[in-house]
Amino acid sequence: AQSVAQPEDQVNVAEGNPLTVKCTYSVSGNPYLFWYVQYPNRGLQFLLKYITGDNLVKGSYGFEAEFNKSQTSFHLKKPSALVSDSALYFCAVRGLSRRDMRFGAGTRLTVKP
Amino acid sequence: GAGVSQSPRYKVAKRGQDVALRCDPISGHVSLFWYQQALGQGPEFLTYFQNEAQLDKSGLPSDRFFAERPEGSVSTLKIQRTQQEDSAVYLCASSLVGGFPQAEAFFGQGTRLTVV
Repeated sequence: AQSVAQPEDQVNVAEGNPLTVKCTYSVSGNPYLFWYVQYPNRGLQFLLKYITGDNLVKGSYGFEAEFNKSQTSFHLKKPSALVSDSALYFCAVRGLSRRDMRFGAGTRLTVKP
Repeated sequence: GAGVSQSPRYKVAKRGQDVALRCDPISGHVSLFWYQQALGQGPEFLTYFQNEAQLDKSGLPSDRFFAERPEGSVSTLKIQRTQQEDSAVYLCASSLVGGFPQAEAFFGQGTRLTVV
């Protein structure tokens, strides 16, 4: 079975500070990992993905994520948060032989001025 | 259009009514997914098409749910005899290639279904 856990329902950071949104996963074999962002009344927008290779993945809007196989984690990071980053963030995993992408419950990020 | 388009954006149905939700994927995209997102939850997989073939329907919650993609492009998710627990946002996503788990999916804005 494949699953994703986002341990924090809510993350609050001040503008300009670094942010981290946590994600851990469980999957048989090598994982394909994804981060999506959802703004109010909008669909999910793809941010970045890990397939193989370099453990640090860079994506849209200055976001990056670090794959850690030993800790089965794929935390989303940004060096300097913007108020406009406030949104709902979803981590997702797909195993090699799976068609469906399994999503976490989401983490609401609030960046305060 | 440039993105995945879903219609209607909002649907209110009386309990017991049948509904049909439409998805127009990105042109040329082979894979199409339907997800159900309950309030405060992450999307839950419903079904997957590769072209016109429905290769996985393991996530459909009951036989009241039916999906089709007859010509390999537009897809319709039909819910018969709607129940209050069917109230959710239904998301459609498409992906350029089929059979590649590393490919990201592009999502539509969703249809918010409210069953009263």
